[in-house]
Amino acid sequence: QSALTQPASVSGSPGQSITISCTGTNSDVGGYNYVSWYQHHPGKAPKLMIYDVSSRPSGLSNRFSGSKSGNTASLTISGLQPEDEADYYCSSYTTRTTLVFGGGTKLTVL
Amino acid sequence: EVQLLESGGGLVQPGGSLRLSCAASGFTFSSYAMSWVRQAPGKGLEWVSAISGSGGSTYYADSVKGRFTISRDNSKSTLFLQMNSLRAEDTAVYYCGRGNYENYYYYYAMNVWGQGTTVTVSS
Repeated sequence: QSALTQPASVSGSPGQSITISCTGTNSDVGGYNYVSWYQHHPGKAPKLMIYDVSSRPSGLSNRFSGSKSGNTASLTISGLQPEDEADYYCSSYTTRTTLVFGGGTKLTVL
Repeated sequence: EVQLLESGGGLVQPGGSLRLSCAASGFTFSSYAMSWVRQAPGKGLEWVSAISGSGGSTYYADSVKGRFTISRDNSKSTLFLQMNSLRAEDTAVYYCGRGNYENYYYYYAMNVWGQGTTVTVSS
């Protein structure tokens, strides 16, 4: 199972919006509405940001939103804040009943 | 407070075995599917395995199938990962994660994570 494809890095200034893409296949991203997004600061536990493509966990800022079109899912962060700087990973359920992660995207807030 | 605490990591020689544990507290453990996810040094997150709330269904990544076994003891609210025939590429921080829904089979997203335990496979 190949990893989902994410850009290695994205950047933005405080207050701006950025979008991270996550491209898979019909066997994972395109086949199920089970795409999740995680924020990961090195040395800490990952944090769930989006689940089931576009749902936000209770209490999470609405600056974070998710969507999907075909085999590509996207995470959008609006109103960038310095504390958003982290690694972001997408994941998807697959036809083989496994989960697959993306390679990760490093977000830099300039 | 909902919490997961991993233990059991350490240094092991190639071909050796190790058993990881994940102690859960603050929620009805048996009602949730659980997963193991790892991160090798300098690499991204990799899903390893998942298990249903009852323990009756298990799922594995191809990279560990046949070598790793996931299990759980619901009476002790503890998740396990038995790792055999370890290889250098299994070196990683191993995290346990709880399924997002109180659903025996939902392991597609994890909303509670432990802090991780480090496994190093080296001679």
